Amino acid sequence: GQQLNQSPQSMFIQEGEDVSMNCTSSSIFNTWLWYKQDPGEGPVLLIALYKAGELTSNGRLTAQFGITRKDSFLNISASIPSDVGIYFCAGGYPPGGYQKVTFGTGTKLQVIP
Amino acid sequence: DVKVTQSSRYLVKRTGEKVFLECVQDMDHENMFWYRQDPGLGLRLIYFSYDVKMKEKGDIPEGYSVSREKKERFSLILESASTNQTSMYLCASSPAGEDEQYFGPGTRLTVT
Repeated sequence: GQQLNQSPQSMFIQEGEDVSMNCTSSSIFNTWLWYKQDPGEGPVLLIALYKAGELTSNGRLTAQFGITRKDSFLNISASIPSDVGIYFCAGGYPPGGYQKVTFGTGTKLQVIP
Repeated sequence: DVKVTQSSRYLVKRTGEKVFLECVQDMDHENMFWYRQDPGLGLRLIYFSYDVKMKEKGDIPEGYSVSREKKERFSLILESASTNQTSMYLCASSPAGEDEQYFGPGTRLTVT
């Protein structure tokens, strides 16, 4: 299947710092999704992006759909302890059939109070 | 709110046992998915279903089968569990024509 490279794999930050992570692919996607997974839980959708160049915010989170359609970025401003978890990107490709998406390998975020 | 539930949060089985993992969604979604999650590998798609009684293989279907007899329920079956199937199993659903998937809480399966 298609591959999504997500970086960094993990990061430790101080509470109050801003965080950036990204996702790149060799293939074009029509949709980019960002999920957060709390420890011991299933992933929860944070932001969905549908158009190249689109910039969308959800509270302290901002995500962008790259112009080339091969990448996406997620920024978290003023991190707080509850931001801890694993962040996954996912790309949705043109429906030649059914709505499958490809997930990145995740960025594990730890926030030091 | 969309709700996806999974039958067990934790499960311990022995090698060779037949294992059933159940998933139910209450939002009338057409698509349902089973993933496994392993450290460093992200979420890998095992099987998905786009309609009742329909199924499609994902990226890693070997050793698994699925059943979808009702729209709201999607079952993952391990015919003969092996230790390399120890993992977190996540079920998800989505409406037809949409990429956003909604996940259950996961089942952490340990095969000894």
